[in-house]
Amino acid sequence: DVVVTQSPLSLPVTLGQPASISCRSSQSLVYSDGNTYLHWFQQRPGQSPRRLIYKVSNRDSGVPDRFSGSGSGTDFTLKISRVEAEDVGVYYCMQGTHWPRAFGQGTRLEIK
Amino acid sequence: QVQLVESGGGVVQPGRPLTLSCAASGFTFSRHAMQWVRQAPGKGLEWVALISYDGTNDYYTDSVKGRFTISRDNSKNTLDLRMTSLRVEDTAIYYCVKEWGADSWGQGTLVTVSS
Repeated sequence: DVVVTQSPLSLPVTLGQPASISCRSSQSLVYSDGNTYLHWFQQRPGQSPRRLIYKVSNRDSGVPDRFSGSGSGTDFTLKISRVEAEDVGVYYCMQGTHWPRAFGQGTRLEIK
Repeated sequence: QVQLVESGGGVVQPGRPLTLSCAASGFTFSRHAMQWVRQAPGKGLEWVALISYDGTNDYYTDSVKGRFTISRDNSKNTLDLRMTSLRVEDTAIYYCVKEWGADSWGQGTLVTVSS
């Protein structure tokens, strides 16, 4: 099975500062159709997860443009250009290329 | 707007069965694959199962294969998860999730497996 590894697991950030989360997979996430099915989710305290980014770098509707995704193959990154208070929560990447699907362990973002 | 409302959670003894349901609205249900994702208390997300838009294909994580069955009724816009031989480690919030890319999530229903 594909293993998805996030780092760091805890991310204290000062308001207004950037933040970056890494997601690495044990196998390439490029599918036979040429697409890379790596998605990012945000789970705020007490809420259901919400998708932020799909297929590596596409922002979902309503997601602030301070969120961006990048990467290829096995290495991916979620960046927040300037962290705001509402960004507190846990962030997960998920690979949708191989069976079974797999999430990273999650990265807890907190305000310093 | 997309709405996914899960139901059927509760407390169940180990070894007993339980069926979860998800009522979908706000989109053409029959055109989209659907999934179940779970989250044990205080833990991360775990993918459980996926069913294709027409119900002809289904996929499961290894730990539930042979015990859980995902199904759908496109005439009623509902998604089910039939869980049998439940284990303590199946205790979690179960989320109903739309599409291969998990673009919309329900609020979840809590399943507690305990004697």
